[in-house]
Amino acid sequence: DVKVTQSSRYLVKRTGEKVFLECVQDMDHENMFWYRQDPGLGLRLIYFSYDVKMKEKGDIPEGYSVSREKKERFSLILESASTNQTSMYLCASRSGQGHGYTFGSGTRLTVV
Amino acid sequence: QKEVEQDPGPLSVPEGAIVSLNCTYSNSAFQYFMWYRQYSRKGPELLMYTYSSGNKEDGRFTAQVDKSSKYISLFIRDSQPSDSATYLCAMSSNSGYSTLTFGKGTMLLVSP
Repeated sequence: DVKVTQSSRYLVKRTGEKVFLECVQDMDHENMFWYRQDPGLGLRLIYFSYDVKMKEKGDIPEGYSVSREKKERFSLILESASTNQTSMYLCASRSGQGHGYTFGSGTRLTVV
Repeated sequence: QKEVEQDPGPLSVPEGAIVSLNCTYSNSAFQYFMWYRQYSRKGPELLMYTYSSGNKEDGRFTAQVDKSSKYISLFIRDSQPSDSATYLCAMSSNSGYSTLTFGKGTMLLVSP
Protein backbone atom coordinates (compact mmCIF):
# COMPACT_ATOMS: atom_id res chain seq x y z
CA ASP A 1 0.00 0.00 0.00
CA VAL A 2 1.40 3.38 -1.00
CA LYS A 3 2.32 5.67 1.81
CA VAL A 4 3.18 9.17 2.80
CA THR A 5 4.69 9.21 6.26
CA GLN A 6 5.01 12.26 8.45
CA SER A 7 7.53 11.86 11.20
CA SER A 8 5.45 13.20 14.08
CA ARG A 9 1.71 13.15 14.80
CA TYR A 10 1.89 15.72 17.59
CA LEU A 11 4.57 18.30 18.28
CA VAL A 12 4.85 21.07 20.87
CA LYS A 13 7.50 23.74 20.33
CA ARG A 14 8.41 27.04 21.93
CA THR A 15 8.18 30.42 20.25
CA GLY A 16 11.39 31.21 18.39
CA GLU A 17 12.48 27.61 17.97
CA LYS A 18 13.51 26.27 14.57
CA VAL A 19 11.15 23.43 13.70
CA PHE A 20 11.62 20.66 11.16
CA LEU A 21 8.66 18.67 9.83
CA GLU A 22 9.65 15.62 7.83
CA CYS A 23 7.71 13.82 5.12
CA VAL A 24 8.71 10.65 3.29
CA GLN A 25 6.87 8.91 0.44
CA ASP A 26 7.54 5.44 -0.91
CA MET A 27 5.79 5.81 -4.28
CA ASP A 28 8.63 7.36 -6.30
CA HIS A 29 6.42 10.43 -6.83
CA GLU A 30 7.93 13.50 -8.45
CA ASN A 31 5.66 16.09 -6.85
CA MET A 32 5.40 16.82 -3.14
CA PHE A 33 3.38 19.42 -1.24
CA TRP A 34 3.07 20.99 2.17
CA TYR A 35 -0.28 22.36 3.38
CA ARG A 36 -1.57 23.71 6.62
CA GLN A 37 -5.18 23.19 7.64
CA ASP A 38 -7.02 25.48 10.00
CA PRO A 39 -10.70 25.57 11.02
CA GLY A 40 -12.67 27.84 8.72
CA LEU A 41 -9.69 28.39 6.41
CA GLY A 42 -9.40 24.97 4.83
CA LEU A 43 -6.21 23.69 3.24
CA ARG A 44 -3.66 26.32 2.33
CA LEU A 45 -0.61 25.53 0.22
CA ILE A 46 2.70 26.54 1.78
CA TYR A 47 5.31 25.15 -0.62
CA PHE A 48 5.56 22.46 -3.24
CA SER A 49 8.27 20.71 -5.21
CA TYR A 50 8.12 19.26 -8.71
CA ASP A 51 11.36 17.35 -8.39
CA VAL A 52 14.52 16.95 -6.35
CA LYS A 53 16.10 20.27 -5.36
CA MET A 54 13.18 22.19 -6.89
CA LYS A 55 10.75 24.24 -4.86
CA GLU A 56 7.92 26.64 -5.54
CA LYS A 57 6.11 29.00 -3.19
CA GLY A 58 2.49 28.33 -2.52
CA ASP A 59 -0.10 30.73 -1.19
CA ILE A 60 1.36 31.28 2.29
CA PRO A 61 5.14 30.74 2.25
CA GLU A 62 6.05 33.48 4.72
CA GLY A 63 7.85 32.14 7.77
CA TYR A 64 8.52 28.76 6.14
CA SER A 65 11.18 27.18 3.99
CA VAL A 66 11.56 23.72 2.48
CA SER A 67 14.22 21.26 1.50
CA ARG A 68 14.12 18.43 -1.03
CA GLU A 69 17.51 16.77 -1.27
CA LYS A 70 16.13 13.33 -2.12
CA LYS A 71 13.13 12.40 -4.21
CA GLU A 72 11.35 10.62 -1.39
CA ARG A 73 11.80 13.27 1.31
CA PHE A 74 10.35 16.77 1.59
CA SER A 75 11.04 18.79 4.71
CA LEU A 76 9.19 21.85 5.96
CA ILE A 77 11.17 24.25 8.13
CA LEU A 78 9.74 26.88 10.42
CA GLU A 79 12.66 29.26 10.77
CA SER A 80 11.45 30.86 14.00
CA ALA A 81 8.21 29.34 15.22
CA SER A 82 5.43 31.70 16.23
CA THR A 83 2.08 31.03 17.89
CA ASN A 84 0.21 31.79 14.66
CA GLN A 85 1.92 28.78 13.13
CA THR A 86 0.01 26.48 15.45
CA SER A 87 -1.85 24.30 12.98
CA MET A 88 -2.31 20.89 11.38
CA TYR A 89 0.40 20.38 8.75
CA LEU A 90 -0.27 17.96 5.91
CA CYS A 91 2.23 16.59 3.43
CA ALA A 92 1.10 15.13 0.11
CA SER A 93 2.66 13.61 -2.97
CA ARG A 94 1.61 12.99 -6.56
CA SER A 95 3.15 11.33 -9.58
CA GLY A 96 4.13 13.63 -12.43
CA GLN A 97 1.35 12.28 -14.63
CA GLY A 98 -1.20 11.92 -11.88
CA HIS A 99 -4.01 14.07 -10.64
CA GLY A 100 -4.92 13.16 -7.10
CA TYR A 101 -2.67 13.62 -4.11
CA THR A 102 -1.82 11.03 -1.50
CA PHE A 103 -1.75 12.69 1.90
CA GLY A 104 0.07 11.82 5.08
CA SER A 105 -1.75 11.60 8.41
CA GLY A 106 -0.68 15.08 9.41
CA THR A 107 1.35 16.69 12.16
CA ARG A 108 -0.51 18.74 14.72
CA LEU A 109 1.95 21.44 15.76
CA THR A 110 1.39 23.61 18.80
CA VAL A 111 3.67 26.59 19.36
CA VAL A 112 3.62 27.91 22.91
CA GLN B 1 -15.68 35.49 -5.46
CA LYS B 2 -13.78 32.54 -4.02
CA GLU B 3 -12.44 30.09 -6.55
CA VAL B 4 -14.19 27.11 -4.96
CA GLU B 5 -17.23 27.38 -2.69
CA GLN B 6 -18.38 24.57 -0.43
CA ASP B 7 -20.96 24.70 2.35
CA PRO B 8 -19.16 23.85 5.62
CA GLY B 9 -22.19 22.16 7.21
CA PRO B 10 -22.48 20.23 9.40
CA LEU B 11 -24.93 18.14 7.44
CA SER B 12 -26.75 15.70 9.72
CA VAL B 13 -28.66 12.76 8.25
CA PRO B 14 -30.06 9.47 9.55
CA GLU B 15 -28.48 6.19 8.56
CA GLY B 16 -29.70 5.02 5.16
CA ALA B 17 -30.33 8.50 3.77
CA ILE B 18 -29.10 9.69 0.40
CA VAL B 19 -26.56 12.45 0.89
CA SER B 20 -25.77 15.18 -1.61
CA LEU B 21 -22.58 17.22 -1.23
CA ASN B 22 -21.80 20.06 -3.60
CA CYS B 23 -19.20 22.56 -4.75
CA THR B 24 -19.34 25.48 -7.12
CA TYR B 25 -16.33 26.99 -8.79
CA SER B 26 -15.49 30.01 -10.88
CA ASN B 27 -12.44 28.97 -12.93
CA SER B 28 -13.63 27.58 -16.26
CA ALA B 29 -10.15 26.10 -16.87
CA PHE B 30 -10.69 23.37 -14.28
CA GLN B 31 -10.75 19.97 -15.96
CA TYR B 32 -10.03 17.46 -13.19
CA PHE B 33 -12.36 17.07 -10.25
CA MET B 34 -11.87 15.10 -7.07
CA TRP B 35 -13.54 14.33 -3.79
CA TYR B 36 -11.54 13.62 -0.67
CA ARG B 37 -12.81 12.20 2.62
CA GLN B 38 -11.13 13.25 5.83
CA TYR B 39 -11.78 11.58 9.15
CA SER B 40 -11.11 13.50 12.33
CA ARG B 41 -7.37 13.93 13.04
CA LYS B 42 -6.42 12.14 9.81
CA GLY B 43 -5.17 13.22 6.41
CA PRO B 44 -7.59 13.45 3.46
CA GLU B 45 -7.95 10.35 1.30
CA LEU B 46 -8.93 10.38 -2.36
CA LEU B 47 -12.47 9.08 -2.79
CA MET B 48 -13.50 9.88 -6.34
CA TYR B 49 -11.85 11.35 -9.42
CA THR B 50 -13.52 12.54 -12.63
CA TYR B 51 -12.29 14.25 -15.73
CA SER B 52 -14.39 16.95 -17.44
CA SER B 53 -18.17 16.60 -17.35
CA GLY B 54 -20.25 13.54 -16.59
CA ASN B 55 -20.91 10.97 -13.91
CA LYS B 56 -18.77 8.37 -12.22
CA GLU B 57 -20.04 5.67 -9.89
CA ASP B 58 -18.12 3.61 -7.35
CA GLY B 59 -20.23 1.48 -5.05
CA ARG B 60 -22.43 3.76 -2.96
CA PHE B 61 -20.70 6.88 -4.25
CA THR B 62 -21.51 8.86 -7.41
CA ALA B 63 -19.62 11.93 -8.56
CA GLN B 64 -21.21 14.34 -11.02
CA VAL B 65 -19.63 17.24 -12.87
CA ASP B 66 -21.59 19.91 -14.72
CA LYS B 67 -19.03 22.18 -16.31
CA SER B 68 -21.64 24.38 -17.94
CA SER B 69 -22.93 25.33 -14.48
CA LYS B 70 -19.51 25.04 -12.80
CA TYR B 71 -21.04 22.70 -10.27
CA ILE B 72 -19.90 19.35 -8.94
CA SER B 73 -21.69 16.91 -6.65
CA LEU B 74 -20.99 13.81 -4.62
CA PHE B 75 -23.91 11.53 -3.83
CA ILE B 76 -23.75 8.88 -1.13
CA ARG B 77 -26.47 6.22 -1.18
CA ASP B 78 -27.49 4.23 1.88
CA SER B 79 -25.32 6.39 4.12
CA GLN B 80 -23.62 4.71 7.07
CA PRO B 81 -22.30 6.07 10.39
CA SER B 82 -18.83 5.24 9.06
CA ASP B 83 -19.39 7.87 6.34
CA SER B 84 -19.28 10.57 9.03
CA ALA B 85 -16.32 12.70 8.00
CA THR B 86 -15.44 15.95 6.28
CA TYR B 87 -15.67 15.83 2.50
CA LEU B 88 -13.47 18.14 0.45
CA CYS B 89 -13.85 18.85 -3.22
CA ALA B 90 -10.72 19.60 -5.22
CA MET B 91 -10.02 20.55 -8.79
CA SER B 92 -7.20 21.44 -11.15
CA SER B 93 -6.76 22.81 -14.63
CA ASN B 94 -4.33 20.21 -16.00
CA SER B 95 -2.20 17.32 -14.89
CA GLY B 96 1.37 17.25 -13.73
CA TYR B 97 2.21 20.91 -13.25
CA SER B 98 -0.80 22.44 -11.59
CA THR B 99 -1.78 22.30 -7.96
CA LEU B 100 -5.17 21.32 -6.65
CA THR B 101 -7.60 23.98 -5.50
CA PHE B 102 -9.60 22.71 -2.54
CA GLY B 103 -12.97 23.61 -1.13
CA LYS B 104 -13.02 24.14 2.63
CA GLY B 105 -14.93 20.94 3.22
CA THR B 106 -18.40 19.88 4.35
CA MET B 107 -18.75 18.00 7.63
CA LEU B 108 -21.19 15.07 7.35
CA LEU B 109 -22.72 13.37 10.39
CA VAL B 110 -24.66 10.14 9.86
CA SER B 111 -26.58 9.06 12.94
CA PRO B 112 -27.51 5.40 13.58
